[in-house]
Amino acid sequence: DAMVIQNPRYQVTQFGKPVTLSCSQTLNHNVMYWYQQKSSQAPKLLFHYYDKDFNNEADTPDNFQSRRPNTSFCFLDIRSPGLGDAAMYLCATSGTGPEKLFFGSGTQLSVL
Amino acid sequence: LAKTTQPISMDSYEGQEVNITCSHNNIATNDYITWYQQFPSQGPRFIIQGYKTKVTNEVASLFIPADRKSSTLSLPRVSLSDTAVYYCLVGDDGSSNTGKLIFGQGTTLQVKP
Repeated sequence: DAMVIQNPRYQVTQFGKPVTLSCSQTLNHNVMYWYQQKSSQAPKLLFHYYDKDFNNEADTPDNFQSRRPNTSFCFLDIRSPGLGDAAMYLCATSGTGPEKLFFGSGTQLSVL
Repeated sequence: LAKTTQPISMDSYEGQEVNITCSHNNIATNDYITWYQQFPSQGPRFIIQGYKTKVTNEVASLFIPADRKSSTLSLPRVSLSDTAVYYCLVGDDGSSNTGKLIFGQGTTLQVKP
């Protein structure tokens, strides 16, 4: 019954090696978000899609990119992961009406 | 800059009522107030949402005064399993593409036996 699915649950990559995290949703929501959450910190918004419109937060590094090929899927690409990019990456969606976020379980990224 | 301000931590005992207050002085007319719960290594989970006055569901109540500059999440008779981080978010009615769903620092609630 999972509505926002993130794969993989755990991802290990090497310093500088590109990595892609995926998110899919069965809710048909028009908005999808990517958040980064480091240990003992609040989730930090990286960017979001409003339908096909991409919205980047001003302080999101260029190292982070995103793709949304269709309504159901969204990808987070980290082009050259650094040690400081180790974190939980959370995907969320929201639909029409007052914004209410539905989160996936997250992908825990480790950078070696 | 986070739009909301909450206490960093709170302690309670099982069976007590817990009230967590959030300040959102710059709330806009179209903004709704939503609370989320997060357990370690999981994504945040929706608890309750409101616009004004009082909202109640099966897990919590949300009190919003007339000026809407603050809100209070009320958890009745907490149990150990309510130990979590609670976030208050302010977001609009979904009619515009503003992406204002920014998390504040959250409140870590520790429920003791």
